[in-house]
Amino acid sequence: DQQVKQNSPSLSVQEGRISILNCDYTNSMFDYFLWYKKYPAEGPTFLISISSIKDKNEDGRFTVFLNKSAKHLSLHIVPSQPGDSAVYFCAASPNTGNQFYFGTGTSLTVIP
Amino acid sequence: GAVVSQHPSWVICKSGTSVKIECRSLDFQATTMFWYRQFPKQSLMLMATSNEGSKATYEQGVEKDKFLINHASLTLSTLTVTSAHPEDSSFYICSANNRHRAKNIQYFGAGTRLSVL
Repeated sequence: DQQVKQNSPSLSVQEGRISILNCDYTNSMFDYFLWYKKYPAEGPTFLISISSIKDKNEDGRFTVFLNKSAKHLSLHIVPSQPGDSAVYFCAASPNTGNQFYFGTGTSLTVIP
Repeated sequence: GAVVSQHPSWVICKSGTSVKIECRSLDFQATTMFWYRQFPKQSLMLMATSNEGSKATYEQGVEKDKFLINHASLTLSTLTVTSAHPEDSSFYICSANNRHRAKNIQYFGAGTRLSVL
């Protein structure tokens, strides 16, 4: 059973515009969330995180929003750049351990 | 910092043979290492969690005798796929926690593509 879902397998955005990537989860025990970015032939690299005590975390062009009641988080990239083109995974961890559960990923293409 | 090296990046083997995949943390000591498996168009599925010097904890449905994990040091974990069969063909990826940094961030290797003929 997929506990973390990314329902959009792909997204295309014009350079300079906002990219919004969405992620939904089902397990109410999840209390820590991360976004990873993955280029082809490379492993995922950590991008940004948020804990359940917050509803927003910002790091430069990247902002993650968490809506606990809706069990939904989103990653906003503003402004989007061609180098942001990659697959983005969201991941969630329960408060009982340090295992992470990953979504299926969203492939972002930023068009110059 | 926080580089994880995984080797080999691609391996092809005959059915019935065993394959070993190495995961090394190059510039930090890893408290815990994780092994994932990814099928095409699916998410990374956690297979097992290993702590240095102790037995790995396997996720439900993962055969521990099939996927042997050894975490002999704070910088090396190995996954051995024993008697591999075509259905074991997949992308295997490891990650590690940096014991001196936030435990909740994992650093990933580049992955190993296993093809069993």
